[in-house]
Amino acid sequence: GEDVEQSLFLSVREGDSSVINCTYTDSSSTYLYWYKQEPGAGLQLLTYIFSNMDMKQDQRLTVLLNKKDKHLSLRIADTQTGDSAIYFCAESILDYGGSQGNLIFGKGTKLSVKP
Amino acid sequence: DAGVIQSPRHEVTEMGQEVTLRCKPISGHDYLFWYRQTMMRGLELLIYFNNNVPIDDSGMPEDRFSAKMPNASFSTLKIQPSEPRDSAVYFCASSWGGLNNQPQHFGDGTRLSIL
Repeated sequence: GEDVEQSLFLSVREGDSSVINCTYTDSSSTYLYWYKQEPGAGLQLLTYIFSNMDMKQDQRLTVLLNKKDKHLSLRIADTQTGDSAIYFCAESILDYGGSQGNLIFGKGTKLSVKP
Repeated sequence: DAGVIQSPRHEVTEMGQEVTLRCKPISGHDYLFWYRQTMMRGLELLIYFNNNVPIDDSGMPEDRFSAKMPNASFSTLKIQPSEPRDSAVYFCASSWGGLNNQPQHFGDGTRLSIL
């Protein structure tokens, strides 16, 4: 079945870059997502990438996709204490009608940023 | 635009009681998802609807859990009778499906504690 794997923890110093990695299994996924969850809050969409792209940049965020290895990463440049949160990787899967209505989430990576 | 609205934000009740969680999706979205989040199991998909019709309820833990979507702007998740192991944060999310995939938007969750 489909599965998304992430490391559970990452600790970095303020100002350094953070790289959060994710592997997924469904080669038919056409969209892959990164969500951020702050304490006591819901998941917020950070960014997503279409599977025919290998890179997407959005301000401090860079997403890299290696479709051959089914590997996705999120790089946060100049990490700030406000970036401390749990980051979830998710892949889209096809539903019965061929539309991509469902996501499979990883267990999340808890990013701790030390001053 | 209002986001996904969940109520209540917090619920504390004694085991054996019926619990009803409510969700109002974003207007125009045709997919609605219910998730449960715990420390041990991470984020689990319980059930999702497309155009008010349940598509996949394989994640519903047992018969004590039921979900309905009587119209496009309202859904409920009911637990009867509730047990302490049901304590978790329950999230509702909605999206617009179709061929041009759109990301899921999450509510802020209901934190449920069963004593």
